[in-house]
Amino acid sequence: DTGVSQDPRHKITKRGQNVTFRCDPISEHNRLYWYRQTLGQGPEFLTYFQNEAQLEKSRLLSDRFSAERPKGSFSTLEIQRTEQGDSAMYLCASSLEYRREGPGELFFGEGSRLTVL
Amino acid sequence: AQKITQTQPGMFVQEKEAVTLDCTYDTSDPSYGLFWYKQPSSGEMIFLIYQGSYDQQNATEGRYSLNFQKARKSANLVISASQLGDSAMYFCAMREGSSGTYKYIFGTGTRLKVLA
Repeated sequence: DTGVSQDPRHKITKRGQNVTFRCDPISEHNRLYWYRQTLGQGPEFLTYFQNEAQLEKSRLLSDRFSAERPKGSFSTLEIQRTEQGDSAMYLCASSLEYRREGPGELFFGEGSRLTVL
Repeated sequence: AQKITQTQPGMFVQEKEAVTLDCTYDTSDPSYGLFWYKQPSSGEMIFLIYQGSYDQQNATEGRYSLNFQKARKSANLVISASQLGDSAMYFCAMREGSSGTYKYIFGTGTRLKVLA
């Protein structure tokens, strides 16, 4: 396994369109996280899953954002009716439960860059 | 509520010198973990070092060490013998554990520039 992969790497869309990003975590990792990062800022937490259960969702996240992780494997993040303010890098990360092995650091994908025109 | 503060937007250091990047945190959870990540201009986030709240000794990983002062709630990253390849954004992050959720929050980052 080569790490966390995200698709697409870049997406340009018009305002009002829906977009979907996919994340494939490291296969043995049971936790999967989505973050949003704008230029010059730190990653902002959006949501996370343990296996297939979505355990927490940021209160800052509008109802236009939804994420799924069917069968506890890959995950999708959908943004409906995109707005220009949604333009950002969307980062996916996965981790092992830290008590089992190691500190449970996040392993990040390369991100999906969204530009909303 | 958990919070991470990085007060240095940008830092310069001469090659081969040591540099300290500041990080303070706020949490009421007695069990937490502190992480540092490096993000080069290429964009990938690279894990550098970890410190657990119950760890008695400061963490070290090669040229990276973490100056953990629990009473002050600070977890500063020290990079020794800086190299040109260390130029990047550096993020401090925290994970709380006792509440049963494992959310990681990040600071706003410090941009480090290593000068030849």
